[in-house]
Parts: sequence; C-alpha cells; structure tokens
Amino acid sequence: GENVEQHPSTLSVQEGDSAVIKCTYSDSASNYFPWYKQELGKGPQLIIDIRSNVGEKKDQRIAVTLNKTAKHFSLHITETQPEDSAVYFCAASQRSGGFKTIFGAGTRLFVKA
Amino acid sequence: GAVVSQHPSWVICKSGTSVKIECRSLDFQATTMFWYRQFPKQSLMLMATSNEGSKATYEQGVEKDKFLINHASLTLSTLTVTSAHPEDSSFYICSTGLVGSYNEQFFGPGTRLTVL
Repeated sequence: GENVEQHPSTLSVQEGDSAVIKCTYSDSASNYFPWYKQELGKGPQLIIDIRSNVGEKKDQRIAVTLNKTAKHFSLHITETQPEDSAVYFCAASQRSGGFKTIFGAGTRLFVKA
Repeated sequence: GAVVSQHPSWVICKSGTSVKIECRSLDFQATTMFWYRQFPKQSLMLMATSNEGSKATYEQGVEKDKFLINHASLTLSTLTVTSAHPEDSSFYICSTGLVGSYNEQFFGPGTRLTVL
C-alpha cells in the first residue's frame, strides 16, 4: 500500500524566513496530494493541494511542487509569520483503493517573532 | 470547500460507558465520510470509511463492534465508542469526501474523548 514519509518532524524559522517541508510517496498510482494545517486542538484544514497533472501550484505565500518521477512533493511557505506556527501534514491519495488518503507523520513548524 | 461540524467537541466518560460522536456535513451531501483518530503528537490514523445507507468499511486492526458507525443520511454520520476504556482516549476527527476524480477531504473540528 501507499506510504508517505515527511521531513523534517520539527522546523523552527525566524519570522520572515521561508519554510520548506518535503514528502515522498511510494505508490505511483497516487494522483492527489493535499497539504493540511492543524492548530492545537483543532481539525486539519486544507491549505493547498496539487494534482498529478500539475508540477507546481501557488497561492499567495504558499506553494507546492510535485516531482512525479521522483515521487517527491514539497510545501514552501515564504515570508513566514507567527500565525503560521502549527503542525503541517502532507498526504497522498488515489482514485483506486477506495479513495484512501495516507498522511505523513507531520511537521511541527515554529515561527519565532 | 465543505463545512463539517462535530458534536461534542470534548467529552469525559467513565470506563465501561458508551459515547456517541456526531459528524455533520453542513453544506454538502456527503455520500462518504471518514473517521480518524489521532494520538498526541501523532498523525491521523484512518479508522473507517462510512458510506451512506450501507455498512462502514473498517481498517485493519479497528474493531467494528467497538467502534460502531452509522451513516443514515447524507449529512450525518455517527461514531459510537462502546464500552470505552482509558486506552480509547484520543482525538477523533471526521471528514467528508468530495469523491470524484480526486479525493478532496474537509475535516471537522474534532472531538476530544477522555475515558476515566
């Protein structure tokens, strides 16, 4: 089955710097890669996603890249702000296999003011 | 995206009692909902896939008799933790699936269960 690995587990950056979180997946049939932000005591919120027919997607300060050949995808946050501090999860999903979404282990991001 | 609510947001119960958690899709008719549990500082673990009008599909290792799922309508799925024990204490989160070409999911706010 699908396996998603996420690095780093913890990331600390200074306000205004960029943050990059990387994920790899194992199943080449996966075709949808969402990223979720989870604040303490809350459910995950979808912040951006990318589909397998696209290599890059950007939404204001957030961008995601996908390398299908290498089975890598990454989240880039520019001009980080303290409110970006949260746990970020990458995930992979495919149409077959019951639409299951497999999550990475999560990255705890700290943005220091 | 879809708006999902959960009730209650937190619950404390005694060992041996049963607890029901509701998941509602407020603006979307959800034929499929997903139930996850999350332990502190860990990732989300899929427990089961709930399909409207049919039996839920449970993941390996999840006891279907302990975690009863009912999805009787397109807007409501319930998870009942039967005969709860302290090890069932966890954060339970549901999501709706915009099932189509891609599996876009939108999550509820979660329910914190503490079993004493």
